[in-house]
Amino acid sequence: GAVVSQHPSRVICKSGTSVKIECRSLDFQATTMFWYRQFPKKSLMLMATSNEGSKATYEQGVEKDKFLINHASLTLSTLTVTSAHPEDSSFYICSARRGGRTKRTQYFGPGTRLLVL
Amino acid sequence: SQQGEEDPQALSIQEGENATMNCSYKTSINNLQWYRQNSGRGLVHLILIRSNEREKHSGRLRVTLDTSKKSSSLLITASRAADTASYFCATDFPWEAGANSKLTFGKGITLSVRP
Repeated sequence: GAVVSQHPSRVICKSGTSVKIECRSLDFQATTMFWYRQFPKKSLMLMATSNEGSKATYEQGVEKDKFLINHASLTLSTLTVTSAHPEDSSFYICSARRGGRTKRTQYFGPGTRLLVL
Repeated sequence: SQQGEEDPQALSIQEGENATMNCSYKTSINNLQWYRQNSGRGLVHLILIRSNEREKHSGRLRVTLDTSKKSSSLLITASRAADTASYFCATDFPWEAGANSKLTFGKGITLSVRP
């Protein structure tokens, strides 16, 4: 099956610092990757969609200058939370989808728990 | 607003019983998917049902889709304690020319299976 990894699995940082989260598709090429955040006991909220080699498409209300997304290759996307604040503390989950419009299934990473002090 | 809304929000059953979870949505869809999430973990894809399908089976899972009522149900038969998790439905919107489809998740159902 398709495997997606995230690194780190959890991170604690001080307010004002930047944190980078990596999302990798380990055994397939992902032309599209998605970033979600999830608050405790809540649903997943889509933050942005990124296609390899192009700029990410952000959902309404998501600050693109605060949540920088880079999809540099077909197996790697990164999310950088810049100048993190305590309200950015959350569970961030990425997913990846194979290329082609017939490929509907998204494969999710294990998530990264961010705590900003 | 959320596209998918599951009910009940929480369900507690005895091992061996069946668990039925429902999901309603608002707009037309391409397909509907069910996911499972163990506490503090990522999501595991369970099953996908296309808009032209009415029922689908996978092991102990049975999913139905009623596009006229804009609803879906997930049935887990002969539940096990290991089925304890949160379950989410997610709807996949139709393709627009040149656009990505994207999943929209419901709030989730917390299933507890007592041994």
